[in-house]
Amino acid sequence: EAQVTQNPRYLITVTGKKLTVTCSQNMNHEYMSWYRQDPGLGLRQIYYSMNVEVTDKGDVPEGYKVSRKEKRNFPLILESPSPNQTSLYFCASSMGQVSYEQYFGPGTRLTVT
Amino acid sequence: AQKVTQAQTEISVVEKEDVTLDCVYETRDTTYYLFWYKQPPSGELVFLIRRNSFDEQNEISGRYSWNFQKSTSSFNFTITASQVVDSAVYFCALSEAGVGNYGGATNKLIFGTGTLLAVQP
Repeated sequence: EAQVTQNPRYLITVTGKKLTVTCSQNMNHEYMSWYRQDPGLGLRQIYYSMNVEVTDKGDVPEGYKVSRKEKRNFPLILESPSPNQTSLYFCASSMGQVSYEQYFGPGTRLTVT
Repeated sequence: AQKVTQAQTEISVVEKEDVTLDCVYETRDTTYYLFWYKQPPSGELVFLIRRNSFDEQNEISGRYSWNFQKSTSSFNFTITASQVVDSAVYFCALSEAGVGNYGGATNKLIFGTGTLLAVQP
C-alpha cells in the first residue's frame, strides 16, 4: 500500500531534550516536505527536499533541522525543543512539484513542556 | 504575496442540507494550482481535488462539486445533501512555482486556516 509513515504519532517531551520525528514513504517520490499545523494558522511548511542531499527552508524553519540521506526517509530533528514547537506535524511527499498532489503522513502530535 | 483565505471558521448544518465552503486566494503567478483537503476527526489529511489555473470548468464528483472563478479568485466547494461523515475540517490550498534557493520550485502548499464543518444528524 502506498503510504507515508511517521513515528512517533504522539510525543510529550521537555524543553531542551533533542528529538527526531521519522518520516518514510514507499512511493519513490523525489519531493518531501514537513508542515506544522496550528489552530487558526492552517498548515505551514517547515522544510522541503527535492531529492537526496537537497533540502531547503520553508516558511517556518527556525528551531528545526532535516536531512535526506535516502530517498525514502526525511526525518525532522528538533535539537532543543521549546514550548512554542508544540504542534501537530505532518510529513508529505509528492512525485513532482507544484502541480502534483502531496500525500500526507498520519501526523505527529508533539507537546513540549 | 500568496495567500489563501477561508473566512468561514465553523459551519454547522443539519444532515441533508447543502453547504458551500468558501476559498479566496491571492497570487501573482499566472500558473498555479488549487487543492482541497479534508481532515476528518481522526486527523489525517485526505486529498479531494486539484485544479490548475487554466481550467475554469466546474467539477462534480458525487455529492461534491467545485466552482473555480478566476475573476473573483475563488475556488468554492459545495457538498450536496450533507451527511454526518462529511464532518471534518476542510482546507483549501494554493501551489505555485515559487523559486527556492536551488532554483527549483519550493513544492510548498499554502494553506488556508480551514473550515470546520459539523453535520448534525
